[in-house]
Amino acid sequence: SQELEQSPQSLIVQEGKNLTINCTSSKTLYGLYWYKQKYGEGLIFLMMLQKGGEEKSHEKITAKLDEKKQQSSLHITASQPSHAGIYLCGADIYRGAGSYQLTFGKGTKLSVIP
Amino acid sequence: DAGVIQSPRHEVTEMGQEVTLRCKPISGHNSLFWYRQTMMRGLELLIYFNNNVPIDDSGMPEDRFSAKMPNASFSTLKIQPSEPRDSAVYFCASSFSAGDASYEQYFGPGTRLTVT
Repeated sequence: SQELEQSPQSLIVQEGKNLTINCTSSKTLYGLYWYKQKYGEGLIFLMMLQKGGEEKSHEKITAKLDEKKQQSSLHITASQPSHAGIYLCGADIYRGAGSYQLTFGKGTKLSVIP
Repeated sequence: DAGVIQSPRHEVTEMGQEVTLRCKPISGHNSLFWYRQTMMRGLELLIYFNNNVPIDDSGMPEDRFSAKMPNASFSTLKIQPSEPRDSAVYFCASSFSAGDASYEQYFGPGTRLTVT
């Protein structure tokens, strides 16, 4: 089973609309990262959250990590065609013996219709 | 800085051939990661190095895969012999890590591998 579940898997929105992407785990997330990927390209770092209840914003994108550190949401306000791409959440998950491993969700494909 | 550099960007090879993917991390970063991305399985961590030493290779699919990091500025991922199911995009990423602190990884553009 996937340790990080992203929803929805894909999303089509009209330009100007708001949208939210969720990332959920049954385990505590030590370090939650959001990346954006355009087709055929590498991942571009967006934001990192570490503390329960933390919220960060960059331009029109806001990311939150819940108090329990098991769920994060990425919210885009007034979406634009430039926001289109695949959004991936990644998290440091404890593996035991003091080690953590960065694990990724399968991504949410966002399309923005002009 | 040029970012993480990967080569080649595209590789098409026949089943059974040896494939070598190359990565140059960002200068000053001490951790390097190799990932594989497919539609079915998403992004999977294959192996990561810290200060040129392999720390966790539990994601390496099988003995056909091997990775090396001879110095702080270069790493290779080798597949020998290659099989069609190895077709995927392979990403290299680097970061700076210190103790238990988490730092973001910077990804290269990826190598798209097709094995026929």
